Amino acid sequence: QKEVEQDPGPLSVPEGAIVSLNCTYSNSAFQYFMWYRQYSRKGPELLMYTYSSGNKEDGRFTAQVDKSSKYISLFIRDSQPSDSATYLCAILINQFYFGTGTSLTVIP
Amino acid sequence: DGGITQSPKYLFRKEGQNVTLSCEQNLNHDAMYWYRQDPGQGLRLIYYSQIVNDFQKGDIAEGYSVSREKKESFPLTVTSAQKNPTAFYLCASSTHPGQGAGSNQPQHFGDGTRLSIL
Repeated sequence: QKEVEQDPGPLSVPEGAIVSLNCTYSNSAFQYFMWYRQYSRKGPELLMYTYSSGNKEDGRFTAQVDKSSKYISLFIRDSQPSDSATYLCAILINQFYFGTGTSLTVIP
Repeated sequence: DGGITQSPKYLFRKEGQNVTLSCEQNLNHDAMYWYRQDPGQGLRLIYYSQIVNDFQKGDIAEGYSVSREKKESFPLTVTSAQKNPTAFYLCASSTHPGQGAGSNQPQHFGDGTRLSIL
């Protein structure tokens, strides 16, 4: 079983929509989690990171953890075409474990 | 600007050839990492280094080698023993080494090298 799993999508939404991206994890002992955004042919860019005990908001982005369901989520409000990218979740246990990424397209 | 520089952006390997991918960082980070990214498989850890002159194998180290002679540099050699080298290779760094291949700070990535077989 993988440490973290992510639906690859693709996900397509109209501009202005609220986007919900999710990952499931198997090991409750993770220390913190991160969300990265990756544009085509580029490296992942860190969006947010937060400790396993907390949620975090930064502008249009909100990262949450639901420990009862073993979900980590990223919400994007007022989505823009520039948000079109692949989003990777990651958790830290004794090393970093990454999801496979969800491809998002925001249609103008 | 501080960051991680990977070169070249694209690289082609001939049969039986070793190739070296460069990774340089000017972030003054102690820890550096190499990942391989394949479609549908996410990032897989090849090697990591928490300190100069020391490095450890990751989950898929076979067919790869690294060195860490300077804090700023962590080159990856893809040897002829790696039978399926075609992939997108990502180098990352973080500030504070932690236990194993972890860190108490998130990783920052370069823009990758795409390696293909001729």
